[in-house]
Amino acid sequence: DTGVSQDPRHKITKRGQNVTFRCDPISEHNRLYWYRQTLGQGPEFLTYFQNEAQLEKSRLLSDRFSAERPKGSFSTLEIQRTEQGDSAMYLCASATGGRRNEKLFFGSGTQLSVL
Amino acid sequence: AQKITQTQPGMFVQEKEAVTLDCTYDTSDPSYGLFWYKQPSSGEMIFLIYQGSYDQQNATEGRYSLNFQKARKSANLVISASQLGDSAMYFCAMREDNTGTASKLTFGTGTRLQVTL
Repeated sequence: DTGVSQDPRHKITKRGQNVTFRCDPISEHNRLYWYRQTLGQGPEFLTYFQNEAQLEKSRLLSDRFSAERPKGSFSTLEIQRTEQGDSAMYLCASATGGRRNEKLFFGSGTQLSVL
Repeated sequence: AQKITQTQPGMFVQEKEAVTLDCTYDTSDPSYGLFWYKQPSSGEMIFLIYQGSYDQQNATEGRYSLNFQKARKSANLVISASQLGDSAMYFCAMREDNTGTASKLTFGTGTRLQVTL
């Protein structure tokens, strides 16, 4: 069990630049989630995939954010024209189990700093 | 209104002692789930324990138990026999079953636990 892998671990960028993060879920998990965690807060839900279909997006996900999961395997989260308010930890999680007892397995996150 | 409230920003406990981390929640959904996660300094969120709103018994997982008081809308985490490796941030989270998305969780702001010798 290799766990959920996220790349990069840290990203520093200048305001206005585009950034892309990658998440590799646990191989047999067909459900994948993205969360965002700002300093001193708990994670907030961003979006959810079942296989390759993006089934839900939070209102937190402005039109500068886009997420994909081609072929239902790895996922990418892109932020265009980054702003300082985008600075946060971006956490990916994959899930298994039935709906009521679904458990999330999180990666270590990508820490984004926008200067 | 806050859906998940963790009123203890930080807690200290001596090694081998038990500690209770508080969590209260607010929902009008009759069916929901409550979770506790641990976040060490490495950043990943580690699942600890789950309690369903219709579960009759309090959940237990090894040294972790969940003190579920439905009428008070509280779901406190009890860690017995604390170990130095328990030092971390602890988050309480809730899933409301009317959302349609199984793990669209609402998290609290967390409690930082420090275990001392």
